[in-house]
Amino acid sequence: EVQLVESGGGVVRPGGSLRLSCTVSGIGIDDHGMSWVRQVPGKGLEWVSGINWSGNSRYYADSVKGRFTISRDNAKKSLYLQMNSLRTEDTAVYHCARVARPLAVAENDYWGQGTLVTVSS
Amino acid sequence: DTQMTQSPSSLSASVGDRVTITCRASQGITNYLAWYQQKPGKVPELLIFAASTLQSGVPSRFSGSGSGTDFTLTITSLQPEDVATYYCQKYNSAPPTFGPGTKVDLK
Repeated sequence: EVQLVESGGGVVRPGGSLRLSCTVSGIGIDDHGMSWVRQVPGKGLEWVSGINWSGNSRYYADSVKGRFTISRDNAKKSLYLQMNSLRTEDTAVYHCARVARPLAVAENDYWGQGTLVTVSS
Repeated sequence: DTQMTQSPSSLSASVGDRVTITCRASQGITNYLAWYQQKPGKVPELLIFAASTLQSGVPSRFSGSGSGTDFTLTITSLQPEDVATYYCQKYNSAPPTFGPGTKVDLK
């Protein structure tokens, strides 16, 4: 069974930090890029960040650049998102998703259920 | 950055109807376009990539076409299980922007 399981979400004050994790099972990720995509409940999809298969190519949405850092550990089949200087507008469900190719940016063929991040004072 | 628009934003159709959704990119993206289906309360699922290639397991009533800036997703015979929001996404370069979505429900 394919599973992408995110964790690390929660409630945090503006200016705070969180580290999201995504653990993958049932499929390989060594030859695939990985993405973080967020969605405010009831709203559309927003791509946040992507990383290629090796980790040496990373991209960020302008809205998070300089505040978020994506990383991966292929041995642990895991993806991470370090989120600093959080803002109320970062409140959303954060999904990890596998990229169908080794690239950081391409179509996403498997998605996790997501973890909710709420930034509120 | 390239902006993605979709039309209509929502539609109601009857079972068996042909449904067409349009996606437009503000700049040419050749065929680097994907379509996703998100059913209520579920995560997105990849339907089509490279503008017209059906993802494995996706019913053949779904099809995609287009290149450059204009793309379409067609459902040839709408089924009750197709009630969902459909998103296009361009991925020729970062950021891989999603369209705003088209909500499809039953009349």
